[in-house]
Amino acid sequence: GAVVSQHPSRVICKSGTSVKIECRSLDFQATTMFWYRQFPKKSLMLMATSNEGSKATYEQGVEKDKFLINHASLTLSTLTVTSAHPEDSSFYICSAREKQGNQPQHFGDGTRLSIL
Amino acid sequence: QKEVEQDPGPLSVPEGAIVSLNCTYSNSAFQYFMWYRQYSRKGPELLMYTYSSGNKEDGRFTAQVDKSSKYISLFIRDSQPSDSATYLCAMSDISGGYNKLIFGAGTRLAVHP
Repeated sequence: GAVVSQHPSRVICKSGTSVKIECRSLDFQATTMFWYRQFPKKSLMLMATSNEGSKATYEQGVEKDKFLINHASLTLSTLTVTSAHPEDSSFYICSAREKQGNQPQHFGDGTRLSIL
Repeated sequence: QKEVEQDPGPLSVPEGAIVSLNCTYSNSAFQYFMWYRQYSRKGPELLMYTYSSGNKEDGRFTAQVDKSSKYISLFIRDSQPSDSATYLCAMSDISGGYNKLIFGAGTRLAVHP
């Protein structure tokens, strides 16, 4: 149980392109979803927390106009990297918590984004 | 000083060895403790989680929390090559709960046949 699916797993695109990443909870309803960024051989850095039906809460230093987050349903959150540049290249990982009970976060398999 | 300290390794052990992975922390308010396993180019996979102190066992894995020493451990018995991965500890306090996790840097483990 508690499977989180993230798509796509790999994106390579030109500078200036906007990229959308989807995060789905497959077998549970997720009131809260999270978006992280991970640099090579580094730990996870929380970018934002999204609650279904409300605006995302961004961590300090994360540009909300650059990283648009939508959490329109209890099973889907999306992260759109707008006008991506090479410095946005990274490994982006989402996670979700079940609506019921006090359970930890379960993570997706990440999206490797490369901006040329 | 980082809130959570974790030796990045790499830690190399022979197959069948008992592996001990550790994290220390400075915030005495931490109550939630988790261990995640992350294979290369994959997302973290939840292995164990505990609330407050004590031990928890699941198959070959045992998680220990020593709040008096601000020290948590993950033991892997009869280690296998498939256990080769990066192990991340994570923790949070009551106000953050499982929402506001503080991660360690991760320890890379290599189990060789």
